[in-house]
Amino acid sequence: AQTVTQSQPEMSVQEAETVTLSCTYDTSESDYYLFWYKQPPSRQMILVIRQEAYKQQNATENRFSVNFQKAAKSFSLKISDSQLGDAAMYFCALALLGGFKTIFGAGTRLFVKA
Amino acid sequence: ETGVTQSPTHLIKTRGQQVTLRCSSQSGHNTVSWYQQALGQGPQFIFQYYREEENGRGNFPPRFSGLQFPNYSSELNVNALELDDSALYLCASSLLRPGKGNYNEQFFGPGTRLTVL
Repeated sequence: AQTVTQSQPEMSVQEAETVTLSCTYDTSESDYYLFWYKQPPSRQMILVIRQEAYKQQNATENRFSVNFQKAAKSFSLKISDSQLGDAAMYFCALALLGGFKTIFGAGTRLFVKA
Repeated sequence: ETGVTQSPTHLIKTRGQQVTLRCSSQSGHNTVSWYQQALGQGPQFIFQYYREEENGRGNFPPRFSGLQFPNYSSELNVNALELDDSALYLCASSLLRPGKGNYNEQFFGPGTRLTVL
């Protein structure tokens, strides 16, 4: 069975600063994808960044980057130059290659202070 | 290109009743997945439909059932509602290309908030 754990229920960051959200996961499979999703108050789940497990290079999307440590089964999200619009729930998620479901963590609520 | 839409936005039911939630998939997508998100938790996978057939199911009882139509829209039906069924129900569509190794990015709808009294 696969599990995803987010140990930080809440995080806070000052506008323009950097914050890192943590995620650990467990799977016995070697081929999988990892994701970070953002869920603002509007409730719509938005994909922030995706990492293929077979790629050693960490994914980057503008101000968002990940630190993927496959051996440690760790997948953290770094948000640089935080903006007020970054305030939301962030979910770490895992999907097996060719699988039919995505497993989500419990989420981290990010507050951004002006 | 139309995104994923869900209806209704909010719904209030009483215990024991039945409910139907609807989802229209994104244009070009052939797969719909349903998730239940209880307050303060992450989404939990209910089931997935691909070409009108159930393609996988999570740990939910049979009173949770679904349909997918030829236009790839989908319904989630829940019978004998319980208080614990109160949650946000999310629908996600994707384009599934058969064969291992394919990544099927999911696009989520805004959800239906169900309250069971």
